[in-house]
Amino acid sequence: DGGITQSPKYLFRKEGQNVTLSCEQNLNHDAMYWYRQDPGQGLRLIYYSQIVNDFQKGDIAEGYSVSREKKESFPLTVTSAQKNPTAFYLCASSTGTGPVHPLTGELFFGEGSRLTVL
Amino acid sequence: KNQVEQSPQSLIILEGKNCTLQCNYTVSPFSNLRWYKQDTGRGPVSLTIMTFSENTKSNGRYTATLDADTKQSSLHITASQLSDSASYICVVRRLNSGYALNFGKGTSLLVTP
Repeated sequence: DGGITQSPKYLFRKEGQNVTLSCEQNLNHDAMYWYRQDPGQGLRLIYYSQIVNDFQKGDIAEGYSVSREKKESFPLTVTSAQKNPTAFYLCASSTGTGPVHPLTGELFFGEGSRLTVL
Repeated sequence: KNQVEQSPQSLIILEGKNCTLQCNYTVSPFSNLRWYKQDTGRGPVSLTIMTFSENTKSNGRYTATLDADTKQSSLHITASQLSDSASYICVVRRLNSGYALNFGKGTSLLVTP
């Protein structure tokens, strides 16, 4: 079945450690995204990538890093510079971001990864 | 300032009853509006998309409406089921905005037996 796989589902980190969240998709989508979800807040965009070997910062990129070496994969690293990393992280993909296609841009989400800093 | 406001923040209804969730937005120029359902601890799933020319769209027991003049959308759930318990998120896309989306904070719905 086509979809997005995130791992791990739960992750605990000590302060000062970097952690990497995995995101793999087999939907053949060009665009991939990382969002952060906190209680009582809307989803906030961390990074997005429209094509292999290219990515752009979203609204809250500080303390995070990404790579896009393969179309299928878009891992997110939460670095020790992120001051408040405890959150639910969602990876998503879409068929494209072209403005001439209003029906594109539906986000297909993974199951999420919950990161807790101890 | 969040350009997408959802109400109510939370809602509890009895199984079998109907309910309506609201989404008001100020995003302009408007491209489309999607409603997503997010089960607890899971990723959101798209329920329906509304474009500028559409007033009503149904997906099973879910019916979304859009009034582009007043910038309001609603999601009506008919004959609620326990499995409808979830957070419902309104997402508005600005025309020619590329990747950028505007997320509401969601309405948390609990359906009780």
